[in-house]
Amino acid sequence: SQQGEEDPQALSIQEGENATMNCSYKTSINNLQWYRQNSGRGLVHLILIRSNEREKHSGRLRVTLDTSKKSSSLLITASRAADTASYFCATDSGNTPLVFGKGTRLSVIA
Amino acid sequence: DTGVSQDPRHKITKRGQNVTFRCDPISEHNRLYWYRQTLGQGPEFLTYFQNEAQLEKSRLLSDRFSAERPKGSFSTLEIQRTEQGDSAMYLCASSVDPSGGYTFGSGTRLTVV
Repeated sequence: SQQGEEDPQALSIQEGENATMNCSYKTSINNLQWYRQNSGRGLVHLILIRSNEREKHSGRLRVTLDTSKKSSSLLITASRAADTASYFCATDSGNTPLVFGKGTRLSVIA
Repeated sequence: DTGVSQDPRHKITKRGQNVTFRCDPISEHNRLYWYRQTLGQGPEFLTYFQNEAQLEKSRLLSDRFSAERPKGSFSTLEIQRTEQGDSAMYLCASSVDPSGGYTFGSGTRLTVV
């Protein structure tokens, strides 16, 4: 089963614009993570936010978490063509394996 | 270690044949996970190990699937009597902290014809 649902399913933007992807989940979580996957490759860990945190930054990435709404957002600022990939949120509920959403396919057009 | 290694990268097999995949995790990572991913979907959890102990198996893991991690190092995932519905990308990941980030391998793409 998949816990998270990303929105939108697909997003196409121009290089330099910001990209925002949202994730909603169903049950209480311990941590929420975001991963990137280039076509046909494995996933790359981007950022982890704990349930007691509200916002986290890493380079051009900004993640927010609203546990009352069971939602998170990933913002990529000043996007580049190399950011073209699928982005997944994943959650754990303590000592449990990550459960992934279906992902958002981001296309950044040069 | 340069990361998580999976072998083979691609496997084409005939329906009914058995296949085995291998995963070599990052050596200091004691947790190892197997996921399956089909086109347009997110990874779906199959099973995971802490050291050599298999701690959880998904309902997706039918009795045709078996995974091992002898000596807590590399892991193998075997699928017996493959079916066309088994066609997918099989991803392996490892982590040192159960609540930390995972390092994924590049996956094994299985095509059952």
